[in-house]
Amino acid sequence: QKEVEQNSGPLSVPEGAIASLNCTYSDRGSQSFFWYRQYSGKSPELIMFIYSNGDKEDGRFTAQLNKASQYVSLLIRDSQPSDSATYLCAVNLPALNFGKGTSLLVTP
Amino acid sequence: NAGVTQTPKFQVLKTGQSMTLQCAQDMNHNSMYWYRQDPGMGLRLIYYSASEGTTDKGEVPNGYNVSRLNKREFSLRLESAAPSQTSVYFCASSEGLAGSGDTQYFGPGTRLTVL
Repeated sequence: QKEVEQNSGPLSVPEGAIASLNCTYSDRGSQSFFWYRQYSGKSPELIMFIYSNGDKEDGRFTAQLNKASQYVSLLIRDSQPSDSATYLCAVNLPALNFGKGTSLLVTP
Repeated sequence: NAGVTQTPKFQVLKTGQSMTLQCAQDMNHNSMYWYRQDPGMGLRLIYYSASEGTTDKGEVPNGYNVSRLNKREFSLRLESAAPSQTSVYFCASSEGLAGSGDTQYFGPGTRLTVL
């Protein structure tokens, strides 16, 4: 079984802080990495994807990929209470293999 | 443009009953997927269809069958429902295989309870 691992949390950060979410994967052949956000009772929605080593920024979100260490992370700057959700890491295998998700709570 | 639609939204079955979950997309996508999501287990792939006319097993296919009826529609059938199949079922689609980098778009989900 090819694994995608995430800390289930909950991760609690104060409003305005940086939230850091981490994900590790077992298959060195993986090429595409995705972060989805899922609000309670709703379907997942894509936040970002990354293919190359390094950082990719989109607004308040930054995805970081390190293929040598087999981890991918998501940073959320200036966290807002509306960012409170479960964040799912996914890796291509060939259809997406999802981690179990990290619950993020941003407190006012 | 409705995106990915699923019917029904909720369903309660008795053990041994059968039912079909329907999924349709209006984005002209080639690939479609069925996932189940259980508390603490994340999303697990049941079946996927890379293109019209093809289907492949995912991580947890036992107890399910699928039909790619046409490019738009991908149905999931439970022939003899079991309590272990109580879950939230999500259908998704993407232009190419999600692993190729194409974004997956998810439907709103079907909440199934098997008594």
